[in-house]
Amino acid sequence: DGGITQSPKYLFRKEGQNVTLSCEQNLNHDAMYWYRQDPGQGLRLIYYSQIVNDFQKGDIAEGYSVSREKKESFPLTVTSAQKNPTAFYLCASSIGGLAVYEQYFGPGTRLTVT
Amino acid sequence: DAKTTQPPSMDCAEGRAANLPCNHSTISGNEYVYWYRQIHSQGPQYIIHGLKNNETNEMASLIITEDRKSSTLILPHATLRDTAVYYCIVGVGATNKLIFGTGTLLAVQP
Repeated sequence: DGGITQSPKYLFRKEGQNVTLSCEQNLNHDAMYWYRQDPGQGLRLIYYSQIVNDFQKGDIAEGYSVSREKKESFPLTVTSAQKNPTAFYLCASSIGGLAVYEQYFGPGTRLTVT
Repeated sequence: DAKTTQPPSMDCAEGRAANLPCNHSTISGNEYVYWYRQIHSQGPQYIIHGLKNNETNEMASLIITEDRKSSTLILPHATLRDTAVYYCIVGVGATNKLIFGTGTLLAVQP
């Protein structure tokens, strides 16, 4: 089945540690995205990538880093510089390009930092 | 990007049509209207999008006013599984950047 995989579903870390969230897609999509969602809030864009080896900051990129070495993979690292890392993280992908296309979302990773 | 305004919550009886309104009075000529929904603790799911014309697919219908300042998502026969937060978003197609607000929590009642 084609889709987006995020792992793990739940992740616990101690404050001060970097943590990397995995996102893999087998939809052959060019564009990939990372969003953050806090309780009762909408999604906020962290980073997005429209093509391999290229990515742009979203609205809340501080304290996060990404890489896009392969078309199917877009890992997100939450660094110790992120002041409030506990949140629900969602990865998405789309065909991209200049036309309008829907975004397909993964099931999300719930990160808790204590 | 233009902003949208949605009611925070709505109720709908099972089997009846659910009409979810959205205001986007500052929408630009090249911005599309998208609707997504998010069932609790899951990733959002695309429903439908449109530019000027009304659109219909197997999930819903999208009615956009002639001046494009507002739209309505219609679920023709709501079921309990349609209980979710519904997001109305406007975005420019070239970048695919979508800005999600807080949406409308639709509660379908038995």
